Amino acid sequence: DVKVTQSSRYLVKRTGEKVFLECVQDMDHENMFWYRQDPGLGLRLIYFSYDVKMKEKGDIPEGYSVSREKKERFSLILESASTNQTSMYLCASSSMDRPTDTQYFGPGTRLTVL
Amino acid sequence: AQSVAQPEDQVNVAEGNPLTVKCTYSVSGNPYLFWYVQYPNRGLQFLLKYITGDNLVKGSYGFEAEFNKSQTSFHLKKPSALVSDSALYFCAVSPVNDYKLSFGAGTTVTVRA
Repeated sequence: DVKVTQSSRYLVKRTGEKVFLECVQDMDHENMFWYRQDPGLGLRLIYFSYDVKMKEKGDIPEGYSVSREKKERFSLILESASTNQTSMYLCASSSMDRPTDTQYFGPGTRLTVL
Repeated sequence: AQSVAQPEDQVNVAEGNPLTVKCTYSVSGNPYLFWYVQYPNRGLQFLLKYITGDNLVKGSYGFEAEFNKSQTSFHLKKPSALVSDSALYFCAVSPVNDYKLSFGAGTTVTVRA
């Protein structure tokens, strides 16, 4: 079974703090994704990585950065957290083999910025 | 750019009755279409996907979905709903030449006993 794990289920931070969200997958997938989920808006893509050290902006990259130093690990960084970044953050991974690729999701991190 | 519409925020059905969750999409070229389910305080679980071929796709937990190209729809169905099907359901689309998914806003399904 594919397993995607995220470092924290719940996180509370203060405005202006630097926040790191970690994601690890054990399926040797090339692709990894970070989304945020907000009620009524569904999932919106923040960043996508298709290889180590490679990244591509998604639909809402402002205020975020990412790091992928190893194939299995993809980190989302909030350089200076703000209250409007309070959300559920979901990580996903998939292979590069079209059309059989399917994105598999971690359990999510619920971030609250005070 | 691709997009997905789930016209119903909520769907309520009685246990044992048919369940339908609607989805329409917009994409350039041919689509790959997906359904995911999210139980409370959990990540998304993959249910099924359409790539090509047969318009009726069967997935996990007795769910199926029908691809209709002329109506650009991909509705999720289950012949007999269970209370345990109560969850948040997401439809998603990607063009065949892109890995990135676009998700709908989600539909909350409540199945009453």
